[in-house]
Amino acid sequence: GAGVSQSPSNKVTEKGKDVELRCDPISGHTALYWYRQSLGQGLEFLIYFQGNSAPDKSGLPSDRFSAERTGGSVSTLTIQRTQQEDSAVYLCASSPGRGVYEQYFGPGTRLTVT
Amino acid sequence: AQSVTQLDSQVPVFEEAPVELRCNYSSSVSVYLFWYVQYPNQGLQLLLKYLSGSTLVKGINGFEAEFNKSQTSFHLRKPSVHISDTAEYFCAVSDRGRGGSYIPTFGRGTSLIVHP
Repeated sequence: GAGVSQSPSNKVTEKGKDVELRCDPISGHTALYWYRQSLGQGLEFLIYFQGNSAPDKSGLPSDRFSAERTGGSVSTLTIQRTQQEDSAVYLCASSPGRGVYEQYFGPGTRLTVT
Repeated sequence: AQSVTQLDSQVPVFEEAPVELRCNYSSSVSVYLFWYVQYPNQGLQLLLKYLSGSTLVKGINGFEAEFNKSQTSFHLRKPSVHISDTAEYFCAVSDRGRGGSYIPTFGRGTSLIVHP
């Protein structure tokens, strides 16, 4: 079946502009995660959605970052007033969320802020 | 909060040789353990997982890992590597933190480089 998809695959933006990154999770998965991956830094947790519960935003690095998940499916990560340090690969993952704890990852969006 | 240490940032090895990638985590009462592999320009893919039961876990592509509670380790092994195993490997650990949401903590990754 279809896996997790993310768009765009690459995004180049100028410093100060806003960007939106999209994630389409696997159908039926109730849990959705966003991570940021910088070179040599591993995965940095950003935000977590589980069903209709309030999202866990504890990993968002600043108030320039926000995310929403509409209808329990598609999610959008928004970065306002982008900075050069925001350049990274942004990964989305979903999980069935019912006693199945492994995550299924999308291919990521590579964001470059110039 | 959970922390995960992957002791080697890079592991070079020759083809058909055995390999061990090390992972240690901070102590917790109950943990779930995972190894993921990331090939260039791709997302992460699950190699294997430990939730409970037998401490020796077998995964895809001939990999296995052993959960050692006393040493808080979950090392990944393969008896004979192939060129195609060249990739980044991530260890991840989750426990009942953050209100029981099972958000995993990832290590920084180990780059496995297989030479012919």
